Amino acid sequence: KQEVTQIPAALSVPEGENLVLNCSFTDSAIYNLQWFRQDPGKGLTSLLLIQSSQREQTSGRLNASLDKSSGRSTLYIAASQPGDSATYLCAVGNLYGQNFVFGPGTRLSVLP
Amino acid sequence: NAGVTQTPKFQVLKTGQSMTLQCAQDMNHEYMSWYRQDPGMGLRLIHYSVGAGITDQGEVPNGYNVSRSTTEDFPLRLLSAAPSQTSVYFCASRAPGSTEAFFGQGTRLTVV
Repeated sequence: KQEVTQIPAALSVPEGENLVLNCSFTDSAIYNLQWFRQDPGKGLTSLLLIQSSQREQTSGRLNASLDKSSGRSTLYIAASQPGDSATYLCAVGNLYGQNFVFGPGTRLSVLP
Repeated sequence: NAGVTQTPKFQVLKTGQSMTLQCAQDMNHEYMSWYRQDPGMGLRLIHYSVGAGITDQGEVPNGYNVSRSTTEDFPLRLLSAAPSQTSVYFCASRAPGSTEAFFGQGTRLTVV
């Protein structure tokens, strides 16, 4: 059974810092991996999607990497801003990407 | 530009009551799914559907029923609500040939 963990559970940084969020999964036979952002009381917003054949994806200040063999993904946020404060969820897509197994999330606070 | 719409946003039920959580998408997505989110546990898959007339169970299906009579709608039914079903429920959809998931804003359900 696929299990997804995220470290750290919570992170607080001053504005302007670069930071890395970590995601680990136990079964390397994944179809894809998706990073989401969730604001308090809101739904999930897709940030980046990495197919199993890819090593990384970039969008603006965000860069996500994928290492299937070691069962790890990282989300790198450059020059963090207070508006980046949210919970970040990692989700691993199973065969054909039909269903996701989610990690518990990392709650990020960026202080002005 | 509605995307995935869930209703209601909030609901309080008494133990034993029944209700239906609504989910509708206007993107002609064949694939739809329901997740529940509990503190510290991430999102867990309840039921999913790969198209009209086809549904299947996810990780935590007990206590929930679904049906898919149209492409647009995927309602989730609680036949006899229990306090253990207190959670935030998210509906998601995905386009054919795409592995990117789109989520609704969630329904916060409390069973007392």
